Amino acid sequence: GEDVEQSLFLSVREGDSSVINCTYTDSSSTYLYWYKQEPGAGLQLLTYIFSNMDMKQDQRLTVLLNKKDKHLSLRIADTQTGDSAIYFCAESSSGGYNKLIFGAGTRLAVHP
Amino acid sequence: DAGVIQSPRHEVTEMGQEVTLRCKPISGHDYLFWYRQTMMRGLELLIYFNNNVPIDDSGMPEDRFSAKMPNASFSTLKIQPSEPRDSAVYFCASSGDIRWTFFGQGTRLTVV
Repeated sequence: GEDVEQSLFLSVREGDSSVINCTYTDSSSTYLYWYKQEPGAGLQLLTYIFSNMDMKQDQRLTVLLNKKDKHLSLRIADTQTGDSAIYFCAESSSGGYNKLIFGAGTRLAVHP
Repeated sequence: DAGVIQSPRHEVTEMGQEVTLRCKPISGHDYLFWYRQTMMRGLELLIYFNNNVPIDDSGMPEDRFSAKMPNASFSTLKIQPSEPRDSAVYFCASSGDIRWTFFGQGTRLTVV
């Protein structure tokens, strides 16, 4: 079945790079996504990558996709305290258009 | 556009009472999703609609849960009767393109 797995916690120093990893199971997913959730808020779409791409860069964010290993990563350059949040990886389910399957989320803590 | 609008933001109710959560999707979006977020189970898709028609309700936990979408600009999720284990944050999301799905701020439901 469809499953998305992420590590639960990541702690980084302000100014360093953060790398959040994710593995997924549905090889037919058309798009993969990264969402950010701040405390008490909804999910904010950060970026997405089409399944036939290897990399996508958007300002401080770099997404890497290894389709063979079904591995997705999000790199945040120059991590700031405002980046502290929970980051969710999601895949588009082959069972339904736009239907997203989410991982458990990675809590990113940024310390001085 | 104001984004996906959910009401109320917080709801506290007694066990056995009926609860109705409301959602206004982004204008022009033809997909609407209801998700539930808990610490134990993460983000779960409950049901989704396409052009106001329910497509997949396999995530609805029990018959106590029902959802409707009477028109393109409004949806409700109803729990009757509510139970303490229904306490969670309920998110509504809408999409008009597989590349992005936008979430509301959520309704935090507490059943005592």
